[in-house]
Amino acid sequence: AQTVTQSQPEMSVQEAETVTLSCTYDTSESNYYLFWYKQPPSRQMILVIRQEAYKQQNATENRFSVNFQKAAKSFSLKISDSQLGDTAMYFCAFMIDSGYALNFGKGTSLLVTP
Amino acid sequence: DTAVSQTPKYLVTQMGNDKSIKCEQNLGHDTMYWYKQDSKKFLKIMFSYNNKELIINETVPNRFSPKSPDKAHLNLHINSLELGDSAVYFCASSHGGTGATGELFFGEGSRLTVL
Repeated sequence: AQTVTQSQPEMSVQEAETVTLSCTYDTSESNYYLFWYKQPPSRQMILVIRQEAYKQQNATENRFSVNFQKAAKSFSLKISDSQLGDTAMYFCAFMIDSGYALNFGKGTSLLVTP
Repeated sequence: DTAVSQTPKYLVTQMGNDKSIKCEQNLGHDTMYWYKQDSKKFLKIMFSYNNKELIINETVPNRFSPKSPDKAHLNLHINSLELGDSAVYFCASSHGGTGATGELFFGEGSRLTVL
C-alpha cells in the first residue's frame, strides 16, 4: 500500500516570504506520479504542480517548485513570494503509473499573513 | 462550461433518509471517482470507475452504492444515512490505467449534513 505523510498540520508565512511544505511517501513502485493540490476556503481542489518519478528535474510552476528526492521518498513544495491568496490547505498526493486512485496526505493548512 | 459538475452542492437531511449525489464530467475522461473529505479535511478514496466498471471499492459500507450509467456520469446513492456520513463528497475524473497521468479534475464538492 502507498502512504503519504505530511508532518506539518499548520504553517504560517508572511506575505512575500518563502515557505516549504514537507511530504514523504512510501511505495515499492518505481513508476509513479506526485502532486500538490491546493484547497482554498472555497473548497475547490486545484492542482498546483505535478512530478513524474522518472524525471530527475524538479517541476516548477511560476512561484511554486518542488524538491523531489526519489531515494529519500521526499517531495516538498516551495512557495516563493507568498501571496495572501496562497492561504489554503495543501495536499500532497501520490498515484502509481497505470493506477486508478490518487492517495492523499492529511494536508497542511497554510496561512499567509500581511 | 464546468468540467466536473456535481449536484447538489449542499444537502441537509435527517438520519435514516436516502439521498443521491450526481456527478457529470465533460472532459472525455474514462475514469471517475468519489472521495470523502471528513471534518479534519482528510480526503479518502471511496470508489473508482473506469469505463463504467468498478475498479476500486475502499471498505465503504454497502449503504453507499455508486452507479455509472455511462463514462461521463457517476452518481452516489446513500441509504439509511447516519450522523457519521456528514462530510464533503468530491467527484473527480481523469484518464485512468494505461495512459494515466494521475491528474484528477475535481468537482466543487457536495456538503452533506445529517441531523
